[in-house]
Amino acid sequence: EVQLVESGGGMIRPGGSLRLSCVGSGFSFDDYGMSWVRQAPGKGLEWVSGINWNGGSTGYADSVKGRFTISRDNAKNSLYLQMNSLRAEDTALYYCAREDITMVRGVIKYFDSWGQGTLVTVSS
Amino acid sequence: DIQMTQSPSSLSASVGDRVTITCRASQSINNYLNWYQQKPGKAPKLLIYAASSLQSGVPSRLSGSGSGSDFTLTISSLQPEDFATYYCQQTYSAPWTFGQGTKVEIK
Repeated sequence: EVQLVESGGGMIRPGGSLRLSCVGSGFSFDDYGMSWVRQAPGKGLEWVSGINWNGGSTGYADSVKGRFTISRDNAKNSLYLQMNSLRAEDTALYYCAREDITMVRGVIKYFDSWGQGTLVTVSS
Repeated sequence: DIQMTQSPSSLSASVGDRVTITCRASQSINNYLNWYQQKPGKAPKLLIYAASSLQSGVPSRLSGSGSGSDFTLTISSLQPEDFATYYCQQTYSAPWTFGQGTKVEIK
């Protein structure tokens, strides 16, 4: 069974830093790209960042570019999100998600497994 | 960035009803469109990928259609476990963007 378990959330003051972790099990972690998706309280889903299978390619939402850094350690089956210069608007539940692809009529990415999330609260 | 717009934002329906949710992209995204279901306090769950492919384990009363910029998620006969919020997502061009969600409530 695929499992993704996030950790590292908490309450932090504006301008502070936090590092989120996500450990995967039940699948070959280094076969998959991974993403972070967040959800502010009572709001919808927002893709934050993604990384390919070997860490060689990364992407970020404009809202976090230059402040957040995604990385992975395949030896530890782990995904990370280093969050610096945190703002109140970064307050959200952060999910890690596994990316899979289908190659029918294109290379189409989708998020087929999700963790339960870790809550980040940025407040003074 | 590609903007995804869902309609309606919410709907009330009864068990057994046929329900249709629409998702429109701000530009053509071919069939690079996924649908997710989210229940309160739970993580999103993949329902449909590549516009019309049913994820393993998802009941066949759910279906997806569309291509280009207009897409539809249909529930042929609404069941109690289908009351949830539904999101579309495009993975045609980064950043991968989601619709604002459609909340399906009990009438």
